[in-house]
Formats: sequence, structure tokens, C-alpha cells
Amino acid sequence: AQSVTQLGSHVSVSEGALVLLRCNYSSSVPPYLFWYVQYPNQGLQLLLKYTTGATLVKGINGFEAEFKKSETSFHLTKPSAHMSDAAEYFCALSTGGFKTIFGAGTRLFVKA
Amino acid sequence: GAGVSQTPSNKVTEKGKYVELRCDPISGHTALYWYRQSLGQGPEFLIYFQGTGAADDSGLPNDRFFAVRPEGSVSTLKIQRTERGDSAVYLCASSVTSGRHTGELFFGEGSRLTVL
Repeated sequence: AQSVTQLGSHVSVSEGALVLLRCNYSSSVPPYLFWYVQYPNQGLQLLLKYTTGATLVKGINGFEAEFKKSETSFHLTKPSAHMSDAAEYFCALSTGGFKTIFGAGTRLFVKA
Repeated sequence: GAGVSQTPSNKVTEKGKYVELRCDPISGHTALYWYRQSLGQGPEFLIYFQGTGAADDSGLPNDRFFAVRPEGSVSTLKIQRTERGDSAVYLCASSVTSGRHTGELFFGEGSRLTVL
């Protein structure tokens, strides 16, 4: 069975500091991995995705994530946090079927 | 439309009542998904449509839940004899990818259901 674990339900950083949101997965077959962001009162939108090829993927708003098979991880990073990054972030996994499995989410707070 | 549209955005009902939640996907998207998001949780898969047919409804929690997509576009999620535990945000998503799913899901803003 596949699963996604996000470490830390809440993360707080200062504006300008590094953002690191952790995601580990379990899958018996090669996964496709995603990060989605949900701003207040909005739907989820895709930040970035890993399917095959380059393990470091870049997304919108300066975010990037690295697929590490040996660590079964897909952590999300951004070098410098901005106030507008405050939102909930979801890591998700698909194994080529139609069902995408989501983690529980990490709420990011950005302090001025 | 430009994006996935869900109505109503908020629904408050009493225990035991029937509710319908509607989803209008992005034009041309053949795949449509329903997810449920409870407080503090990530979206949980309910059902997936490819065209008019429900390709997989294994996520529906019980037979009180049913969904249709009669013309391959708009979908309705129907909940009978609602219970307080059904309170959640119901998310609809659509995508262009059929068969092997590697692509992006486009989500609506959700319908928040509160059962009193």
C-alpha cells in the first residue's frame, strides 16, 4: 500500500529564512510525487511534480523539491520565505493509476 | 469555465437530511474526482469518473454516498441520511489525463458541509 507522511503539522519561519517542509512516502512501485498548496478559502493548486528524470524539480513561486529514492523523501524547500507563502502545503503520491494519495498537510506560518 | 466550479460553497443541514453537491469541471477534462477533507487532514479519495462512468468508487465510505456524472461533464455527489460525521469539505478535481495518471489535478474551492 502507498502512503504519505508529512513531518510537522505546523512550521513557522521568519520572513527571508529558509523554508523546509518534509515529506516521506511509502510505495511498492516507482511513485509520481506532487506538492500542492492551499491558500485560505481557495482550492488546492499544484506547486510542482516529479514523474521521471531529473530528481530536483522546480515549481512556482521559487519552490523546489528533490526526489531521494534512498531516503523515500520528497522535501519541499524555498531559500527565502515571503509573507505570501503562508498557506497549507500537501505532499501527494500517485503510482500511475487514477488515485492520488495526500499527506495530512503542513501549515506554514511566516513571521515578519 | 475557466476553473472547476463547486456549488454550494457552504451547506448547513440537519442530521438525517439529504444533500447534493455539484461540480462543474474544466471544459474538456475527461477525468473527474471527488475528495473529502476533514479538519486537520489531507484530501481523502472518494470516487473517480472517466467520462460518464465511475471507474472507481472504492473511497465512498458507505452506501449513503453516491455520485453521478450523466453527461460526462457536471457531477453531483449525493449524501442520504446525513450524519454529523459527514461534516467536511468536499473537493472536486478534474484533469485531462486518462488511463495512466501522472498529471496535475485541478481543484475547485470545495463545498463545506456542516451537519448539525
